[in-house]
Amino acid sequence: DSGVTQTPKHLITATGQRVTLRCSPRSGDLSVYWYQQSLDQGLQFLIQYYNGEERAKGNILERFSAQQFPDLHSELNLSSLELGDSALYFCASSLLQKADTQYFGPGTRLTVL
Amino acid sequence: AQKVTQAQTEISVVEKEDVTLDCVYETRDTTYYLFWYKQPPSGELVFLIRRNSFDEQNEISGRYSWNFQKSTSSFNFTITASQVVDSAVYFCALEIYSGGGADGLTFGKGTHLIIQP
Repeated sequence: DSGVTQTPKHLITATGQRVTLRCSPRSGDLSVYWYQQSLDQGLQFLIQYYNGEERAKGNILERFSAQQFPDLHSELNLSSLELGDSALYFCASSLLQKADTQYFGPGTRLTVL
Repeated sequence: AQKVTQAQTEISVVEKEDVTLDCVYETRDTTYYLFWYKQPPSGELVFLIRRNSFDEQNEISGRYSWNFQKSTSSFNFTITASQVVDSAVYFCALEIYSGGGADGLTFGKGTHLIIQP
């Protein structure tokens, strides 16, 4: 158990809908990352927050957004969902802003029908 | 931009054999970090090792060992006396420390390791 929690574990929804994925980092970690794992693209970095501030952006679509709250938990919002958004979404956390080991949560499996 | 290549898509060996998973990386930065993660059938990503670009010492942890060679831009992972529980997808990843490179971890496509009893 990495200490990173993600909810829900599974999510099934329809095209055009909006969903929110939630992540709680390990105790003491300030940095939260979001990754998408799909068969087509593999594991891709989406976005990073550090102590409440957006720090880095990767291949994140404009339909997707995230935030980190004062208690350091983070939410990833996915809107106008398409079939291609079906994937495993991971959250990871680390203590430092950069160049630190990232510990991953169990992931949220999103299925868009 | 940086890149991680894991040329072996799938490897199948019989239990107790030794197996090496290859990882080749590309970056122009001089300061970077290399990682290996394990993804068992249950789906979570488990951290195995982190190595910085200035430390080329090989590392051994039980049956696991890692060989980092900057001259060939490789960071290979060997499992000695493999066990069925080692069956998983293994990912090599790279993180650039300095500015100018992409943020977050850059992952390879992964190697699916199958250990047959």
